[in-house]
Amino acid sequence: AQRVTQPEKLLSVFKGAPVELKCNYSYSGSPELFWYVQYSRQRLQLLLRHISRESIKGFTADLNKGETSFHLKKPFAQEEDSAMYYCALKTNAGNMLTFGGGTRLMVKP
Amino acid sequence: DTGVSQNPRHKITKRGQNVTFRCDPISEHNRLYWYRQTLGQGPEFLTYFQNEAQLEKSRLLSDRFSAERPKGSFSTLEIQRTEQGDSAMYLCASSFPGTYNEQYFGPGTRLTVT
Repeated sequence: AQRVTQPEKLLSVFKGAPVELKCNYSYSGSPELFWYVQYSRQRLQLLLRHISRESIKGFTADLNKGETSFHLKKPFAQEEDSAMYYCALKTNAGNMLTFGGGTRLMVKP
Repeated sequence: DTGVSQNPRHKITKRGQNVTFRCDPISEHNRLYWYRQTLGQGPEFLTYFQNEAQLEKSRLLSDRFSAERPKGSFSTLEIQRTEQGDSAMYLCASSFPGTYNEQYFGPGTRLTVT
């Protein structure tokens, strides 16, 4: 069965510092990987997906199949980036998402 | 249409009671998903509908849980004989089978079983 691991429950950085939120997965096939974000008092929303190779709000994530990782990165954190971030995986066998446990990012002024 | 809606937003019930939650997806979305999220964890998949057909069910969905989507529009999730372990946030999401099948989430229903 597939699994997504986010090793850090909390990541605290200062404004302007680089950010890397880690995500590792286990799945024997070819997965689709996503990052979802939940800002305070808002619903869960898609931030980015590996297949589109895009940069959203300055965030990027590269799928590394050799290391089975999909880390989320931003070179200069902003206070408005403070939120819960969830890494999620979709297999080619179904439509469900498997989520990691989430990382709370706190960006201090 | 302002997105996926869920009702009620909060539900407090006593152990042993039955509860029912409703999800209204985005109108043109034919796929609907239910997830459960407990404190400190990510969402866990429960079940998935395409139109009115329930196509996937997680092993988390015990016999006390049942979900329906009778006309392929809104969906209900019923929990019978609630237990304290059922206390969680129940999330609904919908998607349209387009380019990326992106799932749009509702605000959730928070269930507390006392």
